[in-house]
Amino acid sequence: ETGVTQSPTHLIKTRGQQVTLRCSSQSGHNTVSWYQQALGQGPQFIFQYYREEENGRGNFPPRFSGLQFPNYSSELNVNALELDDSALYLCASSRDTSGSYNEQFFGPGTRLTVL
Amino acid sequence: AQRVTQPEKLLSVFKGAPVELKCNYSYSGSPELFWYVQYSRQRLQLLLRHISRESIKGFTADLNKGETSFHLKKPFAQEEDSAMYYCALLTGANSKLTFGKGITLSVRP
Repeated sequence: ETGVTQSPTHLIKTRGQQVTLRCSSQSGHNTVSWYQQALGQGPQFIFQYYREEENGRGNFPPRFSGLQFPNYSSELNVNALELDDSALYLCASSRDTSGSYNEQFFGPGTRLTVL
Repeated sequence: AQRVTQPEKLLSVFKGAPVELKCNYSYSGSPELFWYVQYSRQRLQLLLRHISRESIKGFTADLNKGETSFHLKKPFAQEEDSAMYYCALLTGANSKLTFGKGITLSVRP
C-alpha cells in the first residue's frame, strides 16, 4: 500500500506569483484534504475534495483553489502569493467522507517560502 | 466557532515520569476528538481517538464534556515518546479537523 506523497518538497516563490502543489492519495482513498501549517501553529483546514468536487472549505480566500482528478490525486493552487502564505502545506487522504469518520493519512508536506 | 486550545508549548520530563498533555475544546455540537503525533522527521499520524477508547503506546485520553477537555496521559514516559503532539476536533460532515497549536514533549534519560 503506497502512502500519501506530495511534490515538490520545497518551493521558493516571490510575492504575486502563483504556485501549484501536488498530492497523490493513498491507494484506495477517494478523499483529499489540504491543510496549511504556519510556523509554530497547528495545521489549519483549507478545503477537502471528494470524488472530484470541493466538499467543504475553511477560512481561506478564493485565491486558494484546488482540483481533484479521476485517480483521486489533487492539486492546491495559490494565486497572488503573499508573504503570509509561507507555510508547510499538508495533504491528507481518507477512504470516504460519507458516514462515520475515516482516518486521514497525512503526506510529508510541501514547504513553501514566499519572498 | 470551534476551537482547540493546547495551553502549553513544551513539556519536559524525565524517563519514567507521568505525562499529561492538556487539551481543551470549544464546540457547540457533539465533539469527536483525536490526538495526533509527529515524531522527528516523520509525518503527522493519528495516535488515538476518543471514540475507540483504546490505549495506544501506553497513552490514554478521556473526553470530559463537563470540562470540555481531552487530556492525553501516560503513567511512565519513555524516551521514544519525545515528539510533537496535536489535539484535534472533528467537525462537519466533511470530516474537517481543527487542530490545536501543538505541544512538544521532551523525555530526558
